[in-house]
Amino acid sequence: EVQLVESGGDVIQPGGSLRLSCAASGFTFHDYAMHWVRQGPGRGLEWVCFINGNGAWIEYADSVKGRFTISRDNNKNSLYLQMNSLRGDDTAVYYCAKSIVGATIIGTWGQGALVTVSS
Amino acid sequence: DIQMTQSPSTLSASVGDRVTITCRASQSINYWLAWYQQRPGKAPNLLIYKASSLETGVPSRFSGSGSGTEFTLTISSLQPDDFGTYYCQQYSNFAYTFGQGTKLEIK
Repeated sequence: EVQLVESGGDVIQPGGSLRLSCAASGFTFHDYAMHWVRQGPGRGLEWVCFINGNGAWIEYADSVKGRFTISRDNNKNSLYLQMNSLRGDDTAVYYCAKSIVGATIIGTWGQGALVTVSS
Repeated sequence: DIQMTQSPSTLSASVGDRVTITCRASQSINYWLAWYQQRPGKAPNLLIYKASSLETGVPSRFSGSGSGTEFTLTISSLQPDDFGTYYCQQYSNFAYTFGQGTKLEIK
């Protein structure tokens, strides 16, 4: 069974930094592209960033470009999101998501990690 | 970025009804469109990809159609389990973008 388990969510002050992790299991991690998607309180879904299987291809939403960094460790079956210069509008549930086979579209989602940016 | 616009924003329907949700893209995305269902407090669930391909395990009452800029998600006979918010997403170009969502309520 595919499992994606996010961790690292917290309450953080504006301007601060936080690192989210996603532990993957139940599939061959390095064969799949991965995404982070977020959802602000009472709001819709916002795609955040993407990384392909070997980490050579990375894309970001304009809203996080230059502040967030996606990475992966295929030896540890783990995905990461380093978030710097956090702002109030970064407050959201952050989902780790796995692509479907042979494509970049999001197929399976984790349960989410809550990040609250507040003083 | 490509803008995705869904209609309606909210929808109330009865069990057994045929339900249609529309998604429009601000430019052509060919058939690179997915549909997701999200129940309250849960992560989204992929229903349809490549505009009309049904994800494994998704009931056949769900179907998708369209290409270019106009797409529809149809539920042929609404079931109680189908409540939630439905999102379309384009994956033609990065940044991938979602529609604003359609909240489906069961009467």
